[in-house]
Amino acid sequence: EPEVTQTPSHQVTQMGQEVILRCVPISNHLYFYWYRQILGQKVEFLVSFYNNEISEKSEIFDDQFSVERPDGSNFTLKIRSTKLEDSAMYFCASSRQGASYNEQFFGPGTRLTVL
Amino acid sequence: AQRVTQPEKLLSVFKGAPVELKCNYSYSGSPELFWYVQYSRQRLQLLLRHISRESIKGFTADLNKGETSFHLKKPFAQEEDSAMYYCALMPGGSEKLVFGKGTKLTVNP
Repeated sequence: EPEVTQTPSHQVTQMGQEVILRCVPISNHLYFYWYRQILGQKVEFLVSFYNNEISEKSEIFDDQFSVERPDGSNFTLKIRSTKLEDSAMYFCASSRQGASYNEQFFGPGTRLTVL
Repeated sequence: AQRVTQPEKLLSVFKGAPVELKCNYSYSGSPELFWYVQYSRQRLQLLLRHISRESIKGFTADLNKGETSFHLKKPFAQEEDSAMYYCALMPGGSEKLVFGKGTKLTVNP
């Protein structure tokens, strides 16, 4: 069964450094998402992406964040200058379509630790 | 504002006992509601959604608009039901999921 994959599983970085988190969505899916979960808190929506552009983003997704689909398979989240509070588990998800009856399939997550 | 509240952080029951995981939501429109589950060392996966009115692995959930609740129930819990359960809503016209904090269910033998 196809699955969403994410790399790396754990990323450690220094404050102020740029990080890129990578995701490979399920191949016939058209909608892509990033969520994050700070330890002990809720899973929070960051951004959704469709047809090579952002379709929705949250207040968390400020100018420090960007997303890209550089080729036909990868979907990346870039944080330009990491802060301590960016430490979290980052989940990528994809769905075949964007409506509520289409299931969002989640990846295993990337744990980002900012020192 | 959209909010999902799961009042129980931890819930422990014995095998064969009924289980109910509570979920209340706050949303001015008509939301779509979901339950996601995360088993130990596995990824988040959809358990059920109210729009399809299904029963998965013996679990059911009924949307009560008057009480703004979407509680998850199972009449006879099994040890393999032990997991983290997240209630989520999707606001109308949106693709984002708004999650609750989750309830960790432990089913004891």
